[in-house]
Amino acid sequence: DAKTTQPPSMDCAEGRAANLPCNHSTISGNEYVYWYRQIHSQGPQYIIHGLKNNETNEMASLIITEDRKSSTLILPHATLRDTAVYYCIVRVALGSARQLTFGSGTQLTVLP
Amino acid sequence: DGGITQSPKYLFRKEGQNVTLSCEQNLNHDAMYWYRQDPGQGLRLIYYSQIVNDFQKGDIAEGYSVSREKKESFPLTVTSAQKNPTAFYLCASSITGLAGVSSYNEQFFGPGTRLTVL
Repeated sequence: DAKTTQPPSMDCAEGRAANLPCNHSTISGNEYVYWYRQIHSQGPQYIIHGLKNNETNEMASLIITEDRKSSTLILPHATLRDTAVYYCIVRVALGSARQLTFGSGTQLTVLP
Repeated sequence: DGGITQSPKYLFRKEGQNVTLSCEQNLNHDAMYWYRQDPGQGLRLIYYSQIVNDFQKGDIAEGYSVSREKKESFPLTVTSAQKNPTAFYLCASSITGLAGVSSYNEQFFGPGTRLTVL
């Protein structure tokens, strides 16, 4: 699975959009980009995933560059409850069960 | 409600004792996983199981053992051979991503068990 690079920390004002970047320059054609988040002392929570097209769900939007070497997770209106560590993970989707390889992630702090 | 439960939430053990962490899911998922998380770090895979009565070692299996006698249950035993067992342990499950069956393999996580060795 391709490795990812994320900034260790970011701040965002409450009510503003939070844009979390992720670099995955060695991504392969059959690898998806997944985003999870982990609120302190809880289990990680799935947010969104995508292959090449931009994706949106009730939690967030995922923007993937045309060359697929980087992506951005967007939380459109951040709240204090969005403070968490956000993990960007790249892996193949099809096939037998595979573990998720979590890096250190980005600590997002939403400020009042 | 469907989900994954882990018990206990906090666990204390004396050095040299074995301890078993519980993980149960009612999502009808085939695959289950155990991860370990140390402070300020990401998750590392200990063991995973794709089907009942079958499991594979992950990246850090030494000092741990598992069983998968039922689809719903995947208990983890931390043995006395594990040199540094104090950590946050997370269990997860997913629909087995067999080709042609599922387009992705989202993992659902339990709330975790924080193990402290005294």
